Amino acid sequence: EAGVTQFPSHSVIEKGQTVTLRCDPISGHDNLYWYRRVMGKEIKFLLHFVKESKQDESGMPNNRFLAERTGGTYSTLKVQPAELEDSGVYFCASSQIDREQYFGPGTRLTVT
Amino acid sequence: KNEVEQSPQNLTAQEGEFITINCSYSVGISALHWLQQHPGGGIVSLFMLSSGKKKHGRLIATINIQEKHSSLHITASHPRDSAVYICAVRNTDKLIFGTGTRLQVFP
Repeated sequence: EAGVTQFPSHSVIEKGQTVTLRCDPISGHDNLYWYRRVMGKEIKFLLHFVKESKQDESGMPNNRFLAERTGGTYSTLKVQPAELEDSGVYFCASSQIDREQYFGPGTRLTVT
Repeated sequence: KNEVEQSPQNLTAQEGEFITINCSYSVGISALHWLQQHPGGGIVSLFMLSSGKKKHGRLIATINIQEKHSSLHITASHPRDSAVYICAVRNTDKLIFGTGTRLQVFP
């Protein structure tokens, strides 16, 4: 069974540009989560989808971040325009209801 | 103060030693996870527990709900156990993470 995949693995962009991160969850997992680790800090929750609906987006830092999960399958996280403080590793995780979360390998975003 | 605190932050050990990593939390939880991340690698779930104790190979995880405390033990540690170990608690349906414990096991 394929695990959670994320694309790209690395992205280097300039301040002000737009970047879109993609997450493909494990097939059949209705729950999809986005998390972020900023350098030197603990991993923080961004948001949670149940199928295509946003269940909790309390961790989204500001309106420069937009997450979608059309059709309840893969999800995208767009940052527009990117700022220096957006640099970090973005993790996606998926799970079945009330079960453990499986993490993707992460996307390392560097904003210069 | 973080809602999830881990100790120690860094740990070095000789191969064969018994390792303990501690996690304390201050929020209500439905489950607690122990995760492992190797350098440059992804995050792997080691345990999810809501009570008692779980064992998998050389790894043992315990949780005391009343004291809001969990421990991860590694018996007969090996250099391949070198990684960052992260405690995360499930609060509502999201995870709240500790800062992680960096473990290095030397031959």
